Amino acid sequence: DQQVKQNSPSLSVQEGRISILNCDYTNSMFDYFLWYKKYPAEGPTFLISISSIKDKNEDGRFTVFLNKSAKHLSLHIVPSQPGDSAVYFCAAKLRGATNKLIFGTGTLLAVQP
Amino acid sequence: GAGVSQSPRYKVAKRGQDVALRCDPISGHVSLFWYQQALGQGPEFLTYFQNEAQLDKSGLPSDRFFAERPEGSVSTLKIQRTQQEDSAVYLCASSLPPADTQYFGPGTRLTVL
Repeated sequence: DQQVKQNSPSLSVQEGRISILNCDYTNSMFDYFLWYKKYPAEGPTFLISISSIKDKNEDGRFTVFLNKSAKHLSLHIVPSQPGDSAVYFCAAKLRGATNKLIFGTGTLLAVQP
Repeated sequence: GAGVSQSPRYKVAKRGQDVALRCDPISGHVSLFWYQQALGQGPEFLTYFQNEAQLDKSGLPSDRFFAERPEGSVSTLKIQRTQQEDSAVYLCASSLPPADTQYFGPGTRLTVL
């Protein structure tokens, strides 16, 4: 049972435009969500996070939106740059658990110059 | 400061061999996690340490997998009698409670022939 789902395996966007990556989850006990970026042959790099008590968090070009009623979060990148091309993973943490993260399967973002 | 480091970066083992993978967390980070990432998938939780105590090993796939962190710093993941299905990237992450953000190392790619 996949508790965190990224239904789009890939996304292609023009440089300068907005990239929107989506993530759905099934467990209402998740209390913290994170986005990681991963380049080939490297480990995941932390990008941005959001607590379940908030609905938006912004850091420079990156904004994460959380819709708890829909169990959906999204990552917006504006403006997109070629260096943003990578695999993006959504991850979630269960309230009161051992802080282990549950990851989606990732979305490959390609930003075209 | 220095990030999470892992060694070796690549390991090729013959089926049946034992392997040991090392993780050096960020200095001062109390929590340490091991994840397994199969090709095309997101990382999956294996085990969690708080200092030297292994508080959760629910993700270890079999009793051939063993992890330790004897002095609360460096950790070793050992896989005995490796099988082909053990081929994956093994990722280590660390964090400093109460923060929930985990920082990942570059991973060790294990190939079992």
